Amino acid sequence: GNSVTQMEGPVTLSEEAFLTINCTYTATGYPSLFWYVQYPGEGLQLLLKATKADDKGSNKGFEATYRKETTSFHLEKGSVQVSDSAVYFCALIREGGATNKLIFGTGTLLAVQP
Amino acid sequence: KAGVTQTPRYLIKTRGQQVTLSCSPISGHRSVSWYQQTPGQGLQFLFEYFSETQRNKGNFPGRFSGRQFSNSRSEMNVSTLELGDSALYLCASSLTRGETYEQYFGPGTRLTVT
Repeated sequence: GNSVTQMEGPVTLSEEAFLTINCTYTATGYPSLFWYVQYPGEGLQLLLKATKADDKGSNKGFEATYRKETTSFHLEKGSVQVSDSAVYFCALIREGGATNKLIFGTGTLLAVQP
Repeated sequence: KAGVTQTPRYLIKTRGQQVTLSCSPISGHRSVSWYQQTPGQGLQFLFEYFSETQRNKGNFPGRFSGRQFSNSRSEMNVSTLELGDSALYLCASSLTRGETYEQYFGPGTRLTVT
């Protein structure tokens, strides 16, 4: 079946450090891929997405590239801020269906220290 | 434009009771999905509703049910509550179904079963 695997957290970084959160997926065909962020006490917000191979999603300095050959969608940011501290979820929606069912990874807690 | 609202925000119930949670989607959105978030299982898909019809269902027991009204508002019900039902219940709305359409999440209802 379809699944998403994320690196275990927490990830602790100093402000202005480079961030990578790894995400790999298992799915048939070409699923759409997403990164969501959850700040403390809030629901999820869409951070970025990519719907086909080699697409790069980007938003607020975060980027992720859809790599079909490695079934990966790693999240990166060149310089993190304290305000980026949150839980980050990688997710997919299977290819081709008119569905909104998101399959999530386990989430990665990011803590940025000043 | 108002976001997705969920009521109540917090709820404490006793084992064996039942509970109803409400989700009001963004105006004009016709699709509502529900997720359960727990520390152990992460984010798991419960149901997806579109045009008052359940379109997709996750792997949850029949104690979990839902419905959608003609104004797109949705409710989910959990009967015979168990301790393991303690979780954050999130709903998400989108214009329609399909990965092209962004899903907007509400802040969630925190259910505690004692």
